[in-house]
Amino acid sequence: ETGVTQTPRHLVMGMTNKKSLKCEQHLGHNAMYWYKQSAKKPLELMFVYNFKEQTENNSVPSRFSPECPNSSHLFLHLHTLQPEDSALYLCASSQARVAGGHETQYFGPGTRLLVL
Amino acid sequence: AQSVTQLGSHVSVSEGALVLLRCNYSSSVPPYLFWYVQYPNQGLQLLLKYTTGATLVKGINGFEAEFKKSETSFHLTKPSAHMSDAAEYFCAVSKKISNFGNEKLTFGTGTRLTIIP
Repeated sequence: ETGVTQTPRHLVMGMTNKKSLKCEQHLGHNAMYWYKQSAKKPLELMFVYNFKEQTENNSVPSRFSPECPNSSHLFLHLHTLQPEDSALYLCASSQARVAGGHETQYFGPGTRLLVL
Repeated sequence: AQSVTQLGSHVSVSEGALVLLRCNYSSSVPPYLFWYVQYPNQGLQLLLKYTTGATLVKGINGFEAEFKKSETSFHLTKPSAHMSDAAEYFCAVSKKISNFGNEKLTFGTGTRLTIIP
């Protein structure tokens, strides 16, 4: 148990569906991240939020829409996805340090998404 | 640009044998280096990390890694493998990406460790 929870753990959706992934962190962190883990590929950073503000969008297609209403919650809204978007989506949180030093990212268990 | 190379996508060792998982990195600045483990159907769990100071880092579950700047390596070892060590292991390097202090983790492609009874 890392203090980061994700729901649902598994999701099957059609290409015309709209669904949302939810992440919640109980660690008091100020930064949250979405990563994509596809088979045979390294984990890819998708989005970074700091103090609810998006600070990084790693050229992610607009069919993925993140939302961070507060520092503890992060959503990933999905619409008109493609089969190649099937992957494990991981959320992480950390305590980002403006003054320098290092942060450790803590990961949730992920949502395994299958797009049909 | 930063990158991580993990040599060997699959490694098999006998129970009780030495575990050695290789990681080489490329970084334009002094790196922060990590090893994460992923058990089946679970997220990533931090095993250990190197930031500054002692180059031999000890982590959880008996794992350790040594930062060797001259070799740009951060190999993961465990003296005696246990069946519960079977998992996928990821090496990562991080860099600051924002004025808020956020760091971007760049991962290797992972090494799947199998333990032979």
